[in-house]
Amino acid sequence: EVQLLESGGGLVQPGGSLRLSCPASGFTFSNYAMSWVRQAPGMGLEWVSTISGGATSTFYADSVKGRFTISRDNSKNALYLQMNSLRAEDTAVYYCAKAYMTTTGTVGFDYWGQGTLVTVSS
Amino acid sequence: DIQMTQSPSSVSASLGDRVTITCRASQGISSYLTWYQQKPGKAPKLLIYAASTLQSGVPSRFSGSGSGTDFTLTISSLQPEDFATYYCQQANNFPRVTFGGGTKVEIK
Repeated sequence: EVQLLESGGGLVQPGGSLRLSCPASGFTFSNYAMSWVRQAPGMGLEWVSTISGGATSTFYADSVKGRFTISRDNSKNALYLQMNSLRAEDTAVYYCAKAYMTTTGTVGFDYWGQGTLVTVSS
Repeated sequence: DIQMTQSPSSVSASLGDRVTITCRASQGISSYLTWYQQKPGKAPKLLIYAASTLQSGVPSRFSGSGSGTDFTLTISSLQPEDFATYYCQQANNFPRVTFGGGTKVEIK
């Protein structure tokens, strides 16, 4: 059974930092790209960042580029998101999600964690 | 960035009703369209990918269609567990995916 379990969320002041973690189990972690997707309170879904299976490639939404860093430790089957210079608009539930690869390509995310809430407020 | 526009933003329906949700992409995305269902306080669940392929375990009352820029999600006979918010997502340039704004299916 695939399991993704985010942690590390909490209340942080504007300009502060936070590191999210997402240990994974139930699949060969290093074979899959992993992503972070966030959802502001009462709002829709927003892709944040993706890292390839071998950690050789990373991708970021323009809204977080230069402030957030995605990483992974395949020896520990874990995904991370280092968030610096946090802003009020970063307040959201952050989900880690496993890329879904099909015969026609990567189509989205087939497994998601339960989410961890990040609140940026003074 | 490819913009995804869903309509309606909400729909009120009764049990057994047929419900159709539309999603329009700002540029052609072939069939790289995925649908998710999200219930309050829960993570999204993948329902349909490649515009019309039902994910394993998803009831057959869900169906998807479309290609290019216009797509639809249809629930043929609404069940109690279907009341939720539905999102479309383009995967034409994965990993830079974008989601529609969501459609909330409510009880009439």
